[in-house]
Amino acid sequence: AQSVTQLDSQVPVFEEAPVELRCNYSSSVSVYLFWYVQYPNQGLQLLLKYLSGSTLVKGINGFEAEFNKSQTSFHLRKPSVHISDTAEYFCAVSGVGTSGSRLTFGEGTQLTVNP
Amino acid sequence: DAGITQSPRHKVTETGTPVTLRCHQTENHRYMYWYRQDPGHGLRLIHYSYGVKDTDKGEVSDGYSVSRSKTEDFLLTLESATSSQTSVYFCAIRLADNYEQYFGPGTRLTVT
Repeated sequence: AQSVTQLDSQVPVFEEAPVELRCNYSSSVSVYLFWYVQYPNQGLQLLLKYLSGSTLVKGINGFEAEFNKSQTSFHLRKPSVHISDTAEYFCAVSGVGTSGSRLTFGEGTQLTVNP
Repeated sequence: DAGITQSPRHKVTETGTPVTLRCHQTENHRYMYWYRQDPGHGLRLIHYSYGVKDTDKGEVSDGYSVSRSKTEDFLLTLESATSSQTSVYFCAIRLADNYEQYFGPGTRLTVT
C-alpha cells in the first residue's frame, strides 16, 4: 500500500516570488512519482515525473521537483511564479510492479499567485 | 489530451436512478481508469481495466460497476445513484511503456 501527504492545502504567494509545494509519500516498494496541475474547471495535466535516474526532474512551465528517497519526499519548486500558475497541484505515487500500476493522489495544494 | 473523451460532460439525476458514464479513447491503450474527485480528497480510484473484459476494483468501488467490451470504451455505471456519488468523475489511460496516466476532461455528476 502507498500513501501521499501534501503538507499544505493552500499556498498564497506574490508574483515573481519562488514557491515550494511539499509532498511526502510512503510505500513498501519502489515508487514512481508525479505532479499534476489542474486549472479551474479543467482536467489534470501532467507537470513532471520521476521514474528513475537523476533525482532532479524538470517539467513544463518552469517547474522542477527533487526526489529524496531518504526523506520520502518529492517537493515541487519554481523560482519565479506567474499569475497564470494559479491552480491546484496534485502529487501522486505509483508503486513499481503493483497491481494495475494505480496512482494514489494527495489531497491537493491550491497555489494562488497574487499581483 | 491522449485522445480521451468523456460523455456526458454534465449530468443531473435523481437518487435511485441508474447512471452510466462513458470514457472513449482513440489510441488503443490497454489500461484505463475511473477516478472521482471530491474537495479535500484529491482523486480516488474507483475501478480500472487492464484489457477487454479485465477489470479490478479500486479504493472506492462500492456502488459502482464497470464494463469494457472493447478496447476503446470503458463504462462506469452507478446502479442506483445516491447523493454521496455527487462528484466529478475522471477517466484516465496509462501509456504502455511507463506509468504515466493521462486524463480526460471529466464529467460533473449531481445526484439530487
